[in-house]
Amino acid sequence: LAKTTQPISMDSYEGQEVNITCSHNNIATNDYITWYQQFPSQGPRFIIQGYKTKVTNEVASLFIPADRKSSTLSLPRVSLSDTAVYYCLVGDSSASKIIFGSGTRLSIRP
Amino acid sequence: NAGVTQTPKFQVLKTGQSMTLQCAQDMNHEYMSWYRQDPGMGLRLIHYSVGAGITDQGEVPNGYNVSRSTTEDFPLRLLSAAPSQTSVYFCAVSRQDYYEQYFGPGTRLTVT
Repeated sequence: LAKTTQPISMDSYEGQEVNITCSHNNIATNDYITWYQQFPSQGPRFIIQGYKTKVTNEVASLFIPADRKSSTLSLPRVSLSDTAVYYCLVGDSSASKIIFGSGTRLSIRP
Repeated sequence: NAGVTQTPKFQVLKTGQSMTLQCAQDMNHEYMSWYRQDPGMGLRLIHYSVGAGITDQGEVPNGYNVSRSTTEDFPLRLLSAAPSQTSVYFCAVSRQDYYEQYFGPGTRLTVT
């Protein structure tokens, strides 16, 4: 399983774009990159998944450079409700033992 | 369509007691997993199942048992509760991709 490194915490303001970067130097050829969001007292929620280049959905964008050794989750125009912990996961889709790590605690201020 | 349900929502046990945390899904997904989350920490995998009759250990299996007799249910049994098992327990389901999982609301367990 590829180890991931992401910032422990980040602060931003409403209306800003927030970018959270995750490092995964040992990513394997078959590995995908997946991000989850977790609000207090709730289970994590799947946000986005990608393999290379850029993936976009209604919630976020995921940017993956050609070497795939890092990835960036981009949240456009954040609001107070985006305050949460964001987890970056890397692994083969068939892997049974995925590791969540400690995540990035994002705080949005008015 | 309830998705993933967990019962109870809260539970207090005394050291040495046993209990079963329930997890049920109506999504017809094959993969089910149990995680625990300690305060301020990420999730750690306890046990998982790729289908009825098949279970395996995760990162922190000691003190817990599971069984999977149906697709819908995946109960987690605490054999003899210890204060170190005080945590929030999440059940998750997925089709055939562990990376796109759907989580239940959690059970907050306190062992005194």
